[in-house]
Order: sequence, then C-alpha cells, then structure tokens
Amino acid sequence: DAKTTQPNSMESNEEEPVHLPCNHSTISGTDYIHWYRQLPSQGPEYVIHGLTSNVNNRMASLAIAEDRKSSTLILHRATLRDAAVYYCILRDANAGKSTFGDGTTLTVKP
Amino acid sequence: EAGVAQSPRYKIIEKRQSVAFWCNPISGHATLYWYQQILGQGPKLLIQFQNNGVVDDSQLPKDRFSAERLKGVDSTLKIQPAKLEDSAVYLCASSLGPSGNQPQHFGDGTRLSIL
Repeated sequence: DAKTTQPNSMESNEEEPVHLPCNHSTISGTDYIHWYRQLPSQGPEYVIHGLTSNVNNRMASLAIAEDRKSSTLILHRATLRDAAVYYCILRDANAGKSTFGDGTTLTVKP
Repeated sequence: EAGVAQSPRYKIIEKRQSVAFWCNPISGHATLYWYQQILGQGPKLLIQFQNNGVVDDSQLPKDRFSAERLKGVDSTLKIQPAKLEDSAVYLCASSLGPSGNQPQHFGDGTRLSIL
C-alpha cells in the first residue's frame, strides 16, 4: 500500500491560515488523496479528497503538487474547533484500500 | 441524513471473555469497514465488506475476531476470547461504494477496555 508521511504536530494561531503538508512519494496513478480529521472521543470526519486537480469545499482546500508526490490541506481561517488530528491517506480508485498513518496533531492558539 | 450508528459506546470486560459490537451504516451505503484504533495511533483496517461479501480481511486476527454482515446492511464484530492488547476503540465506517473516489463516513466508535 502507498504510504503517507506527515509531521507529528503543528501549531497555528486562531483566525490565521493553516497549511498541513503530506508527502506520498510512492503514490500510484489511481490513488485518490483523502484528508480526514479526528476530534477527541469522536470518529474521523471526512474533510476533502482529490485526484489531480486542486479542490475546494466549505471546510478546506486541497492543493496537489503537479507530480502528485505531495499535497497540502489548507484551512483558510483556523478556529479553536479546528484543533484535531488530521490524517492524509491514499485510497485506490478500484478497491478503495487505504492505510492511515498517525496523522498531524493541530493545536490552535487563541 | 443519519450518520453511522455504533453501539455500545463503551464496554469493559475481563480478558478471555467475549464481546460484540454493532454497526448500522448510512442508508444505501454498500461498503462497510471495521477499524481498530489503539490510543495514540491512526485507525487500522480490520475488515471491509461490499454488500454482504468480504473484500479484505487480511489484517483481521481470525483466531479470535469474526465479523458478519448477513443482509448487507447492519454488521457485527466479535472478539472471542479477548486479550489485553485488544483494548482499543473499534470504529465502523461506510461509503456508497468501494471506489477510492468515495469518502468514508465514520461512527464515533466503541471504546473497549480489557481488565
């Protein structure tokens, strides 16, 4: 399975943008890039996903490198409620098989 | 729409006892997943169903864990007998289909403590 690499932790100030990086150098042409986040005592929550082009939704933006070996999740204005563990995973287009790493713990300071 | 429902929310048992978890996926979702999440780690896939058939159970410890999805809707995961290392949160997720283009939707899990 293709693997992803994320920093263990990041900090941000409230109301500032946050850029969460993810490296996936062994990505295959049929792997979708997904981002999930997990708040304490809750299950992971879907944030966004994409294949090749950048994607925007109400929660975040996903910027995908041209060679697809890395991606960045962008939270445009961090709030205290965005403090969570963020997971970047790859999901195969056909079988949907995916592997979670240990994610990035985002701390948002008021 | 209603989310993925799981029960119980918490369970405490002694080692060597049996335990079962229940999951009701989002209506219409054909693909169902069970994950194990040990404290401080990301979720680890145990088994994936497509309707009532198993797609992937390569990481399921089959000597003690079993899962079924008899009518292609609800699912149960069972551990018999439980070991101390099974203490974890068991998460159920569902998606419309198995394609990687489909997001997974997770329940809030069952927290299992083994004494």
